[in-house]
Amino acid sequence: EVQLVESGGGLVQPGGSLRLSCVASGFTFNNVWMNWVRQAPGKGLEWVANIKQDGSEKHYVGSVKGRFTISRDNAKNSLYLQMNNLRAEDTAVYYCARDRFVVVTGTLDVWGKGTTVNVSS
Amino acid sequence: QSVLTQPPSASGTPGQRVTISCSGGASNIGSNAVNWYQQLPGTAPKFLIYSYNERPSGVPDRFSGSKSGTSASLAISGLQSEDEAAYYCAAWDDSLNEVVFGGGTKLTVL
Repeated sequence: EVQLVESGGGLVQPGGSLRLSCVASGFTFNNVWMNWVRQAPGKGLEWVANIKQDGSEKHYVGSVKGRFTISRDNAKNSLYLQMNNLRAEDTAVYYCARDRFVVVTGTLDVWGKGTTVNVSS
Repeated sequence: QSVLTQPPSASGTPGQRVTISCSGGASNIGSNAVNWYQQLPGTAPKFLIYSYNERPSGVPDRFSGSKSGTSASLAISGLQSEDEAAYYCAAWDDSLNEVVFGGGTKLTVL
């Protein structure tokens, strides 16, 4: 079964850091671009970042550039999101999602159930 | 403010056909495929339509997509109560180098 499972969410103070993880199973992880997408409470979906198969290319939404770092470990079928200098507006459910195609298209065909990040003092 | 523009709400009665619009620009919808996602309350988004009008396995043919220029639409025919959900359009944006989403449309089945 194709599956993505996120972990690492929690409560953190403003200015703090958190590292999210996503473990993939049921498909060839190193063949696909991977993404993080978030959803603030009561709001819509916001794409956060993506990373190429070999980690050589990464893209970020403007609001997280310089604060968040996406990475992957293909040997462990794992995707990560290091989040530093967190702000209240980063509070959201964070989803890990797979790009369906070998080239980046933003076609997110498999999603995890999400992990919740709460930035509050 | 989302890069792609969707109406915040839509509604229909069981059996009806409803459409949800998604407006963008030359760097996203105008030059890349449009994808649609369905999100039932309290759940993760579900992949619904890709490359304008392709359905993943398991998605009923009641759901269809179309594109014209820098706009796209999702149509749902034979509306059912279980279609009540939020629907999001999305596309890769060549100028921003980002995936851009619409703000979402909450569909109510009356």
